[in-house]
Amino acid sequence: QSALTQPGSVSGSPGQSITISCTGARSDVGGYNYVSWYQQHPGKVPKLMIFDVSSRPSGVSNRFSGSKSGNTASLTISGLQGEDEADYYCSSYTSSSTYVFGSGTKVTVL
Amino acid sequence: EVQLLESGGGLVQPGGSLRLSCAASGFTFRSYTMTWVRQGPGRGLDWVSAVSNSGGSTFYADSVKGRFTISRDNSKNTLYLQMNSLRAEDTAIYYCAVGWYYFEYWGQGTLVTVSS
Repeated sequence: QSALTQPGSVSGSPGQSITISCTGARSDVGGYNYVSWYQQHPGKVPKLMIFDVSSRPSGVSNRFSGSKSGNTASLTISGLQGEDEADYYCSSYTSSSTYVFGSGTKVTVL
Repeated sequence: EVQLLESGGGLVQPGGSLRLSCAASGFTFRSYTMTWVRQGPGRGLDWVSAVSNSGGSTFYADSVKGRFTISRDNSKNTLYLQMNSLRAEDTAIYYCAVGWYYFEYWGQGTLVTVSS
């Protein structure tokens, strides 16, 4: 199972909005509404930010939102803040009853 | 408070074996699917394996199928990963996580280094 495709890096200024894409196939992202997103600061444990494409766990800021169109899922961070600088990974359930993560995107706050 | 504590990592030679454990507390362990995810040095997240809440169903990434075995002991609230025929590319931090369709809670991880 190949990793889902994410841009290597995305940057934005404080207060701006950025969007990270996550492209897969009909056998994973396109076939199921089981896409999740994880934030990972350097040396830290991944943190769940979005599940089931667009749901937010309790405690996660509403500045984070998720969506999906076809085989591509997206994570949008609005009102970008310095603390949002981290690596972000998408993940999807697959038709093989396994999971696949994205290649990861480094978010830089300018 | 959910706590997941991995152990069992270390340095092993290529072809060797290790058994990882993940001790869980703060939630009803027997009710949840459990998952292992790994992260190689400077690399992204890599899904490894999962086991259903009863232990009756197991799932593996192609890269570890036939070499790794996931299991659980619900009486001890503990998840395991038996790793055989280890390769250099298995070097990673191994995290246990709670969940099936998404991974809400993660342990701190245990480092496995495969090297001669």
